[in-house]
Amino acid sequence: NAGVTQTPKFRVLKTGQSMTLLCAQDMNHEYMYWYRQDPGMGLRLIHYSVGEGTTAKGEVPDGYNVSRLKKQNFLLGLESAAPSQTSVYFCASSQDRGQVYEQYFGPGTRLTVT
Amino acid sequence: AQKITQTQPGMFVQEKEAVTLDCTYDTSDPSYGLFWYKQPSSGEMIFLIYQGSYDQQNATEGRYSLNFQKARKSANLVISASQLGDSAMYFCAMREIFDSNYQLIWGAGTKLIIKP
Repeated sequence: NAGVTQTPKFRVLKTGQSMTLLCAQDMNHEYMYWYRQDPGMGLRLIHYSVGEGTTAKGEVPDGYNVSRLKKQNFLLGLESAAPSQTSVYFCASSQDRGQVYEQYFGPGTRLTVT
Repeated sequence: AQKITQTQPGMFVQEKEAVTLDCTYDTSDPSYGLFWYKQPSSGEMIFLIYQGSYDQQNATEGRYSLNFQKARKSANLVISASQLGDSAMYFCAMREIFDSNYQLIWGAGTKLIIKP
């Protein structure tokens, strides 16, 4: 099993450009998440999904959109990139509302907006 | 207010010594969980250990143990007999309910460097 995969691994955008990050998981998990990680800070939740066709806002949703058309995929879109969105983006997935609720992470995408 | 606080931005420890990484939390939810993740320089997030708020005993996983002090709201990670490969960022996270769904709230992390 591949677990959680993310594409691309690296990307450089100019201000105002758009892009989509793809996250895929092969563990049949219901929950999926997009986080950003900035230096000196913990992970911050951007958006999440509790199942196919559902999405919800996290702590820092502004400037991002998401879609979960298939259970195994969770897409993160930046419509008009800004330098403040330079960050490392992590996707994660987890099973249902089980007791432990461990999240499994992808390898991350390093995005630079110039 | 910070919900998860990791007061040690960085630590240097001699190889083979035990290490304690601090984590304090704040929540009014009686049912919560605490996690520790490791992030090596390669960047991936690796789950280490979990402690539920109702668990009577401290969690252990190999060389990792969680010193859970509920009254003090602390959940410190203890690594016994540290190894060079333990050098990494370590993050404490808390599971709590938000809008009827579970979410993880993350601390800022502690950078651990093991010296040979």
